[in-house]
Amino acid sequence: DAKTTQPPSMDCAEGRAANLPCNHSTISGNEYVYWYRQIHSQGPQYIIHGLKNNETNEMASLIITEDRKSSTLILPHATLRDTAVYYCIGLGGSNYKLTFGKGTLLTVNP
Amino acid sequence: EAQVTQNPRYLITVTGKKLTVTCSQNMNHEYMSWYRQDPGLGLRQIYYSMNVEVTDKGDVPEGYKVSRKEKRNFPLILESPSPNQTSLYFCASGNRVNQPQHFGDGTRLSIL
Repeated sequence: DAKTTQPPSMDCAEGRAANLPCNHSTISGNEYVYWYRQIHSQGPQYIIHGLKNNETNEMASLIITEDRKSSTLILPHATLRDTAVYYCIGLGGSNYKLTFGKGTLLTVNP
Repeated sequence: EAQVTQNPRYLITVTGKKLTVTCSQNMNHEYMSWYRQDPGLGLRQIYYSMNVEVTDKGDVPEGYKVSRKEKRNFPLILESPSPNQTSLYFCASGNRVNQPQHFGDGTRLSIL
């Protein structure tokens, strides 16, 4: 599994875009980049994932660099309910195991 | 609605009294797993199952058992619970590595 590195914490103003970075320089060619979040002791919630191309869904956008060594999760208009720990995880091949690191605690401020 | 259901959500019990935490998914997923979450240690995988009758140890399997007799169910069994198994437990299920996994709402166990 790719080792991922994320900042421990970030702040964002409500209504502004939140940009959460993740470094995954050891990611292999068949590993997807997954983003999950956990809101205060609730079950982890899937946000988005991608392999090479940028992805967008109703929750967020995922920008993956061309060399795939890093990515950025973008929450376009953060709300107070987006305050959570965000995890960036590499997953691929025949391995289904999600290895959660410490993630980034995003605090959205009013 | 696609979901992973865990029961109970909360349980306080005593050392040595066998307990089972149930997990059921309605998405026909082949892969299911259990995690525990502890302060400062994050989420750690206990056991996982790739399909019916196929289970394997995760990172912290000691003191736990699982079974997978049906595709939808993956119970976690604590034969003789001890206080160090006090934790928040999550069940997850998925189908393919390129599709997201779904998590239950969690079970908070307190072993006295």
